[in-house]
Amino acid sequence: DADVTQTPRNRITKTGKRIMLECSQTKGHDRMYWYRQDPGLGLRLIYYSFDVKDINKGEISDGYSVSRQAQAKFSLSLESAIPNQTALYFCATSDYPHEQFFGPGTRLTVL
Amino acid sequence: DQQVKQNSPSLSVQEGRISILNCDYTNSMFDYFLWYKKYPAEGPTFLISISSIKDKNEDGRFTVFLNKSAKHLSLHIVPSQPGDSAVYFCAASAGYGSSNTGKLIFGQGTTLQVKP
Repeated sequence: DADVTQTPRNRITKTGKRIMLECSQTKGHDRMYWYRQDPGLGLRLIYYSFDVKDINKGEISDGYSVSRQAQAKFSLSLESAIPNQTALYFCATSDYPHEQFFGPGTRLTVL
Repeated sequence: DQQVKQNSPSLSVQEGRISILNCDYTNSMFDYFLWYKKYPAEGPTFLISISSIKDKNEDGRFTVFLNKSAKHLSLHIVPSQPGDSAVYFCAASAGYGSSNTGKLIFGQGTTLQVKP
């Protein structure tokens, strides 16, 4: 079984809809992260959490919110999706400060 | 402002030859650097790292070199194999140690193709 799972793997939605992407991990890590990948831009950090009570904004948090329901679960929400939020979204976890373990990604398309 | 840059979007090499992937950074506070490999439809996977107190780190066929004065790092793969064909991202972080936040800044990625 995968250590970091993301659901859904693919999602197509319409402008203005609320979307939630979910991430679960079995690695027992305290730190969790949400990134988005766009062509030519690499991965950019949206939000990160060091434990259940600690949530921080990353480089590009506008238009997104997160919820850390438990040590193992970290969800990303788009309150009102817009087309420029079409991207590949990755969840990651870490224990050691640097090496992060990534999930398989969610491909989100906003029409 | 791109703090970590990979200026070559793609690289093609012959199997058995050396692959050299380059990465430049602008923030002198970065003190830990990592390389990740990404296959299609998968998440990035950690490959190798180096701290700023070193100038070289080797792991099997993979070696990372750090030139702090030039703010440049490179990944060498010797010998290159077709299975190495993937997108490679370099990443950097600042504040290694108790103050470290674990935040990584990624480059844009370089697509490596190793031809049989």
